[in-house]
Amino acid sequence: EVKLVESGGGLVLPGASLKLSCIVSGFTFSDYWMRWVRQAPGKGLEFIGEIKPDGSKTNYAPSMKGRFTISRDNAKNTLYLQMSSVRSEDTATYYCAGMDAWGQGASVTVSS
Amino acid sequence: DIQLTQSPSSMSASLGDRVSLTCQSSQGIGNYLSWYQHKPGKPPKPMIYYATNLADGVPSRFSGSRSGSDYSLTISSLESEDTAIYYCLQYDEYPLTFGSGTKLEIK
Repeated sequence: EVKLVESGGGLVLPGASLKLSCIVSGFTFSDYWMRWVRQAPGKGLEFIGEIKPDGSKTNYAPSMKGRFTISRDNAKNTLYLQMSSVRSEDTATYYCAGMDAWGQGASVTVSS
Repeated sequence: DIQLTQSPSSMSASLGDRVSLTCQSSQGIGNYLSWYQHKPGKPPKPMIYYATNLADGVPSRFSGSRSGSDYSLTISSLESEDTAIYYCLQYDEYPLTFGSGTKLEIK
């Protein structure tokens, strides 16, 4: 069974950093591009970025580049999203996706 | 960035109706377009990939088509479980972009 499980979400202060993880099972993680997508409350889906199978290349939405960093550890079947200098507009549910399977999402709330 | 314009933004239809949702691309993307069904509290579910291919486990009443830069998701006979927001996604060019979604409800 394919499973993607995000963790690391929660309430975070504006300007702080946060790292989300996504543990994958059920397929060969190291063979697939992986991506992060978010959905702010009441809004549509928004592409954050994705990473090549070997981790050597990443692509980001222009609005995310510089503050968000995607990485992966193929030995641990884990995808990461490092978020820095977060702001209220980053409040959203964050999904990891790969092989066209999606996690259940991690909720991030940025508020003082 | 490539813009995807979905229409209508919302609609309601009756059980058994044939329903078509449209996604228009601002530039050529070939067949690099997929459709997702999104229900509250759940992750998006892949429905169609490469414009016309049914994803695994998706009922055959769903289909995808393309005419030039216009892409459609059609439900041949609407069922109650099809109530959701449907998004298209282009993956021809970075940054990947989603349409703004079509909210489909049952009358």
